[in-house]
Amino acid sequence: AQSVTQLDSQVPVFEEAPVELRCNYSSSVSVYLFWYVQYPNQGLQLLLKYLSGSTLVESINGFEAEFNKSQTSFHLRKPSVHISDTAEYFCAVSATDSWGKLQFGAGTQVVVTP
Amino acid sequence: DGGITQSPKYLFRKEGQNVTLSCEQNLNHDAMYWYRQDPGQGLRLIYYSQIVNDFQKGDIAEGYSVSREKKESFPLTVTSAQKNPTAFYLCASSTSGGGYTFGSGTRLTVV
Repeated sequence: AQSVTQLDSQVPVFEEAPVELRCNYSSSVSVYLFWYVQYPNQGLQLLLKYLSGSTLVESINGFEAEFNKSQTSFHLRKPSVHISDTAEYFCAVSATDSWGKLQFGAGTQVVVTP
Repeated sequence: DGGITQSPKYLFRKEGQNVTLSCEQNLNHDAMYWYRQDPGQGLRLIYYSQIVNDFQKGDIAEGYSVSREKKESFPLTVTSAQKNPTAFYLCASSTSGGGYTFGSGTRLTVV
């Protein structure tokens, strides 16, 4: 079985400052890793994913995450946030041999203030 | 445009009543899922289905039931046996290795 720990439940940050959301996972088998974003009263949207290959993955809106196998981490970063980045962010993991079944972290609420 | 439609957006249930949440997708995805979201607890898997006419229990299946008679549809029934049903319910679908596409959710409240 897999588990995901998001180390921060809430991260306040000023506009145009950098942000890092921490995610650690545990698994006895190879995994796929995902970050999702949720705006209030909406479903989750896929932000980025790591399936294989380069350990650094990027999204179209400036977020990036790096898969670190030795530290079992998949931290999410953005060098400069906007007010519109205020949302809840979820890290998720699935075993490569259990097709589709995702295990989610508890979420990190990002609040961006001017 | 392809996507997942959940209905209704808001639902109120009386004590002892069964209610059914609808989930329809036109993405031609094989797998579909139901998650429950409570504040501070992330998403917990209720049921999932990887093919038509087959489904498996997730981590918190007690008090819920599902059916998968068509590839496009995966309705969730919250039965009277579910003692604390007030939550935000999310449906999702996926293809192998591709991550999920989520619906916009149904907020269920017991009155």
